[in-house]
Amino acid sequence: DQQVKQNSPSLSVQEGRISILNCDYTNSMFDYFLWYKKYPAEGPTFLISISSIKDKNEDGRFTVFLNKSAKHLSLHIVPSQPGDSAVYFCAAEMAGNSGGSNYKLTFGKGTLLTVNP
Amino acid sequence: DAMVIQNPRYQVTQFGKPVTLSCSQTLNHNVMYWYQQKSSQAPKLLFHYYDKDFNNEADTPDNFQSRRPNTSFCFLDIRSPGLGDAAMYLCATSRVGTGPRTQHFGDGTRLSIL
Repeated sequence: DQQVKQNSPSLSVQEGRISILNCDYTNSMFDYFLWYKKYPAEGPTFLISISSIKDKNEDGRFTVFLNKSAKHLSLHIVPSQPGDSAVYFCAAEMAGNSGGSNYKLTFGKGTLLTVNP
Repeated sequence: DAMVIQNPRYQVTQFGKPVTLSCSQTLNHNVMYWYQQKSSQAPKLLFHYYDKDFNNEADTPDNFQSRRPNTSFCFLDIRSPGLGDAAMYLCATSRVGTGPRTQHFGDGTRLSIL
């Protein structure tokens, strides 16, 4: 059973417009959420994160919004650039059982973003 | 630059022939993770080491083993690879205890089974 869901396998937007990538989760024990970006033939790279005590975190063109009651988060990219074209993974984390020493990520399947010039 | 390095980038092995994938890090992180990712699927955690403590996921097949001889290196051993084990294998590291809770990934090893 998938605990982190990215229901849109792909998204296509025009350069300069806003890209909105969505993510839903089912486990209320998740307390930290991350977005990773992955280019072909490379590993995922960390993009932005948000703690469950916040509802928004912004870093340049990237903003992540968290709606805990809906168990939903979204990543906004404004303005979108062709270099943003990649697979975006949503991931969620909770402190493990060993006194919080085992942080583990649960990933969604990813959304392929294509930004057209 | 500090980083996570996986070798080889591409590995081809025969059905049933043991194979080892390696991961090294210069970040001095205390946790190292191994993920399996199949096409269009989410990366799936196989196991991780917190320092020398090994933590296996409940659904990781016995066919998969891991070794961490020191802080910098971690190995993934597949004892008898089957066709279903063909996948991208990702190594990641993190520093648990202080600082940001992010994992840093290598570029992965693409494993093919003949």
